[in-house]
Amino acid sequence: DAKTTQPPSMDCAEGRAANLPCNHSTISGNEYVYWYRQIHSQGPQYIIHGLKNNETNEMASLIITEDRKSSTLILPHATLRDTAVYYCIVRSSAGGTSYGKLTFGQGTILTVHP
Amino acid sequence: ETGVTQTPRHLVMGMTNKKSLKCEQHLGHNAMYWYKQSAKKPLELMFVYSLEERVENNSVPSRFSPECPNSSHLFLHLHTLQPEDSALYLCASSQLPGTLEVVTFGSGTRLTVV
Repeated sequence: DAKTTQPPSMDCAEGRAANLPCNHSTISGNEYVYWYRQIHSQGPQYIIHGLKNNETNEMASLIITEDRKSSTLILPHATLRDTAVYYCIVRSSAGGTSYGKLTFGQGTILTVHP
Repeated sequence: ETGVTQTPRHLVMGMTNKKSLKCEQHLGHNAMYWYKQSAKKPLELMFVYSLEERVENNSVPSRFSPECPNSSHLFLHLHTLQPEDSALYLCASSQLPGTLEVVTFGSGTRLTVV
């Protein structure tokens, strides 16, 4: 699976949009971009995933650049409860041996301030 | 109860003890996983079970022994652990591995080896 690069930390004011970038310049055609987050001392929580089109759900939006080398997770109105570590993960659709194998990096620590 | 449930939430054990971590999923999934998260390190995949058969063991020491009696339950048996094994142990589940399904995590067991 392709490696990802994320800033180690970001701050955001409550009520503002939080835009979390991720670089995955070596992504291949069959690899999806997944986002998970981990609130302190809990298990990671799935947020959203996409291949090449922008995606939106009740939690967030995912914007993937046309060349697919980077993406941005957008939390439209951040709250204090969104303070967490956010992981960008690239995962193959090749099946077979991928076995739910999510390869986690260090992620981005997002701190939402009042 | 829904989701992935792990017990106990916290465990302190001596190096000569034997203990077991328990995981139960109520999602109808048929793949289950153990991940380990040490302080300041990314999550690491330890074991993968697909349809109750172990399909992956990521070079985990034999003092960690997984057991999957059915598709809803997963155990991690611990014996003669070392202090460096202190970590957050996370159980997860998903539909058949190798597909782009969402992996759902439990809240973890915080293990301290003294």
